[in-house]
Amino acid sequence: DAKTTQPPSMDCAEGRAANLPCNHSTISGNEYVYWYRQIHSQGPQYIIHGLKNNETNEMASLIITEDRKSSTLILPHATLRDTAVYYCIVDIIQGAQKLVFGQGTRLTINP
Amino acid sequence: DSGVTQTPKHLITATGQRVTLRCSPRSGDLSVYWYQQSLDQGLQFLIQYYNGEERAKGNILERFSAQQFPDLHSELNLSSLELGDSALYFCASSVVLGAGEQFFGPGTRLTVL
Repeated sequence: DAKTTQPPSMDCAEGRAANLPCNHSTISGNEYVYWYRQIHSQGPQYIIHGLKNNETNEMASLIITEDRKSSTLILPHATLRDTAVYYCIVDIIQGAQKLVFGQGTRLTINP
Repeated sequence: DSGVTQTPKHLITATGQRVTLRCSPRSGDLSVYWYQQSLDQGLQFLIQYYNGEERAKGNILERFSAQQFPDLHSELNLSSLELGDSALYFCASSVVLGAGEQFFGPGTRLTVL
């Protein structure tokens, strides 16, 4: 079972920042937070991951709360191409044999 | 483009038949994962191979089997197909044995009639 809770859907205006929340209240000390997205029926795409510090890459930023019980994925300037289902996944990085996908958040970017 | 290739893109077959799905991982990746995505079950892990050896199993049916060959490509065999096996089948690969960063292929859409 997925260890995360995400809102089923969200909307965001094009050009604005999209902030996607994720709750993972049972996360343990050696578990990382991963974000993937799936555009339409394409293969899921890795976005970013983090342990406890905030992370940023060319796609997004990941903000993890100090108690690590929740996180937010930020797409700074959303475009129509960012419309997708976003999955927040919690797992250990060493020996992770599989990704457990929940239902994700369906993000719609509106023009 | 993730660098992972899957063939065929689409497959339509009848109940009771057997099919083989093929996956070529990214160059240099030793680990291959198979996932199934159906409308009612979402994305589910099936099985993982690392350098030719099976390393982890998920909710894979006994009618399904997989293998990874010396050139690291992998095949997923589905037999005695049922209507409920209709789904998207994704292959993913990663460099190391256990990796949260996995690169997914475009998938094979299987339709069982």
